[in-house]
Amino acid sequence: GAGVSQSPSNKVTEKGKDVELRCDPISGHTALYWYRQSLGQGLEFLIYFQGNSAPDKSGLPSDRFSAERTGGSVSTLTIQRTQQEDSAVYLCASSFSGGLVSYEQYFGPGTRLTVT
Amino acid sequence: GENVEQHPSTLSVQEGDSAVIKCTYSDSASNYFPWYKQELGKRPQLIIDIRSNVGEKKDQRIAVTLNKTAKHFSLHITETQPEDSAVYFCAASGGRGLSPGNQFYFGTGTSLTVIP
Repeated sequence: GAGVSQSPSNKVTEKGKDVELRCDPISGHTALYWYRQSLGQGLEFLIYFQGNSAPDKSGLPSDRFSAERTGGSVSTLTIQRTQQEDSAVYLCASSFSGGLVSYEQYFGPGTRLTVT
Repeated sequence: GENVEQHPSTLSVQEGDSAVIKCTYSDSASNYFPWYKQELGKRPQLIIDIRSNVGEKKDQRIAVTLNKTAKHFSLHITETQPEDSAVYFCAASGGRGLSPGNQFYFGTGTSLTVIP
């Protein structure tokens, strides 16, 4: 079946512009996660959606970052007034989730963001 | 909150030797421990996972062991091959049942190089 998809695959933007990154999770997955990965670094958690619950936004680095998930499916990560330090690969992942039980995360291919 | 530490950060082994990567976690409520492999320029992919009700799981050349008392788990790769070269991430999740649900806490990654 179809995996997690992300668009665009690459985005080059000028400093100060806003960008929107899109994630289409696997159908039926109730949990959706956004991570940021700088070159050669680990996975930095940004935000987590679970069903209809309020999202866990504890990883968002500043108020320039926001995300929404419409209809429990597609999610959009928005970065306003981009800065050069925002340059990274933005990864989305989705999974089943059931109360106290966690399941495998499936990652999308990522969006490589370059701020010039 | 949960804190996952991973060691070593880099590891080089000769082809055919074994490789061991270790992770510790801090929250005894965590009950799901996946390991992800990330090849250069690609997305992380699950290679093996273990739940807290078992102490060891094996899949061909890959095994994971879990010590709940000591709060550590390890990835073992035997008969290493050049294609095992990648970055490996451990993670801990589950058990909290808090809104919005279960977060994943990742280690900082281990860059494994298998020398032919």
